[in-house]
Amino acid sequence: SQKIEQNSEALNIQEGKTATLTCNYTNYSPAYLQWYRQDPGRGPVFLLLIRENEKEKRKERLKVTFDTTLKQSLFHITASQPADSATYLCAEGGNKLTFGTGTQLKVEL
Amino acid sequence: DVKVTQSSRYLVKRTGEKVFLECVQDMDHENMFWYRQDPGLGLRLIYFSYDVKMKEKGDIPEGYSVSREKKERFSLILESASTNQTSMYLCASTTGSSYNSPLHFGNGTRLTVT
Repeated sequence: SQKIEQNSEALNIQEGKTATLTCNYTNYSPAYLQWYRQDPGRGPVFLLLIRENEKEKRKERLKVTFDTTLKQSLFHITASQPADSATYLCAEGGNKLTFGTGTQLKVEL
Repeated sequence: DVKVTQSSRYLVKRTGEKVFLECVQDMDHENMFWYRQDPGLGLRLIYFSYDVKMKEKGDIPEGYSVSREKKERFSLILESASTNQTSMYLCASTTGSSYNSPLHFGNGTRLTVT
C-alpha cells in the first residue's frame, strides 16, 4: 500500500527565508498530491493540489513541485513569516486520501 | 465558504460508554469522512460515505460505526468506548472526487476515554 512520508523533525527557519518541506511516496506514482496546513487545535486547511503531469504549481508565496523520478513533492514558502508557522500535511489518493504525518514549521523573527 | 461543524470540541467519556460524534456540513457535499489523528500516526481514515445511507470502511473501522440519514449530517459512533480510542477526531466533506475537490475539515473533537 502507498505510504506518504514527511520529515517528522520540526523545521526552524528565520523570517524572510524560504522554507522547503518534503513529501516522499513509497509505491506507485500518485495522479496528484495535495498539501494542507494545520494549526494547533484546528482541522487541516487545503492549500494546493498538483497533478502528476504538472511539474510545478504556484499560489502567491507558495510553490509545489512534483518529481515522479524521485517520488517526491517539495513545498516551498518564500519570504516566510511567523504567521506561516504551522504543521504542513501532504496527501494523495482518490476518495480515500492517505495523509503523511506532517512537518511542523516554525518561522522565527 | 464551506463550513463543516463538529458538535463538540472536547468530550470526556468513560470506558464502555456509547459515544456519538456529530458532523454537519452546509455545502450539499456528497462525500463525508471521519478521520482520527494521533501523534506520530497522522490522520487515519475510519469511515466515509458517498451518499445518504451509504458507508464504506476506511483503514481503521474496528470499534466504530457511522450513520448518514441526511446528506448534511454524518455521525461517528463508538459502540463501547475504550481508552485506545482517546484521540482527535476530524470530520471532512467534499463534492465529487477529491481529485478535483479537496477536503474541507471541521475543527475536530478531542475525545478522552477514561
